[in-house]
Amino acid sequence: ELKVEQNPLFLSMQEGKNYTIYCNYSTTSDRLYWYRQDPGKSLESLFVLLSNGAVKQEGRLMASLDTKARLSTLHITAAVHDLSATYFCAVDPAMNYGGSQGNLIFGKGTKLSVKP
Amino acid sequence: ETGVTQSPTHLIKTRGQQVTLRCSSQSGHNTVSWYQQALGQGPQFIFQYYREEENGRGNFPPRFSGLQFPNYSSELNVNALELDDSALYLCASSFGILGLAGADTQYFGPGTRLTVL
Repeated sequence: ELKVEQNPLFLSMQEGKNYTIYCNYSTTSDRLYWYRQDPGKSLESLFVLLSNGAVKQEGRLMASLDTKARLSTLHITAAVHDLSATYFCAVDPAMNYGGSQGNLIFGKGTKLSVKP
Repeated sequence: ETGVTQSPTHLIKTRGQQVTLRCSSQSGHNTVSWYQQALGQGPQFIFQYYREEENGRGNFPPRFSGLQFPNYSSELNVNALELDDSALYLCASSFGILGLAGADTQYFGPGTRLTVL
């Protein structure tokens, strides 16, 4: 069974601090996605990582992908309250694992709360 | 450019009933995927339609069925509703199948919140 595991599942941070969310996956894949979801809202695409060693940054968020370790990280720098949301990583499984082409397998999400 | 839209926003049904959810893909997108998101969980893939044909299906029973129209809008039908079907249903569109036709990401709609009593 293909699995995507995120940790931590809950994260309470103080403004100004740094932290990292981890995403481990059990299948061969070189395509990984990070999404943000606000309460009651849909998913907003943050990053698309398409190769080993890919690193992308947007504002206070930076995502990286290590396909050999089957690990992606989402690093938060100097957190602010506006970053409070649930963050999901999702993996596009390789065809030889029987995954349907183009479907995504999501982790359970990391609920981030940034407090003043 | 119009984004992905879904209707209705909220829906309440009772066990055993049938429901149809609708999705209009983003302009120019020919691929639509449907996901079910239970409370506190990540989205789970239901199925995908590419150019009006089902392209893949997740681990959902046959009472979950779908359709894609020539304008690439899509419907999700669920028969014989069960309490566990209560969830947020998300549709996502892309120009082509991720990883195969040059599409790099899916764009999600706002979702339909289905409550089954």
